[in-house]
Amino acid sequence: DTQMTQSPSSLSASVGDRVTITCRASQSIAGYLNWYQQKPGKAPNLLIYAAYNLQSGVPSRFSGSGSGTDFTLTISSLQPEDFATYYCQQSYNTPLTFGGGTRVEIK
Amino acid sequence: QVQLQESGPGLVKPSQTLSLTCTVSGGSISSGSYYWSWVRQPAGKGLEWIGQIYISGSTNYNPSLKSRVTMSIDTSKNQFSLKLSSVTAADTAVYYCARRPNGGAVAYWGQGTLVTVSS
Repeated sequence: DTQMTQSPSSLSASVGDRVTITCRASQSIAGYLNWYQQKPGKAPNLLIYAAYNLQSGVPSRFSGSGSGTDFTLTISSLQPEDFATYYCQQSYNTPLTFGGGTRVEIK
Repeated sequence: QVQLQESGPGLVKPSQTLSLTCTVSGGSISSGSYYWSWVRQPAGKGLEWIGQIYISGSTNYNPSLKSRVTMSIDTSKNQFSLKLSSVTAADTAVYYCARRPNGGAVAYWGQGTLVTVSS
């Protein structure tokens, strides 16, 4: 299995802050890396697919980068509605695997 | 707009079989090159991929659950299903059905259904 390691597991930030979340794969997954946002009681919502492609309807303050084993999700200016948990996921091979999640909390 | 909706018992006894169905609306389950998937999430924990099924009936299961999982697809009803046998309390989770293209991300999710394993 391809293990996905996210860091940090949680962070506190203020509205307007730039936030960066990293995800590392245990083996190369090329660009097959996706990012999701999940709010309590809701299904995950796709933000970024294939490492850097913004899903339709997702604000441009979200961006993704990376390839191979190291990836980053950046929120350029944190908004109140962005406080949530974020997951990376590899779709390079099965079993599909997710990172452990990063909880973004209000500072 | 494709929509997915899980259905099934919310309470299952230990050692029994969990059975869930996902009904797809807004599009045919037979059209396009999509994998129809199941993902679960225990309360307060992360996401775990259970497996996926293609329209041909071809399946891929998570090795950690493979011995207990069966997925099927019913094109006449536009549904796909999950069966998980010999359940224990560790199988208590919110179960999501989902759709993704081959090699791609999950863009469509059901709302999720809580299944509790308890006597």
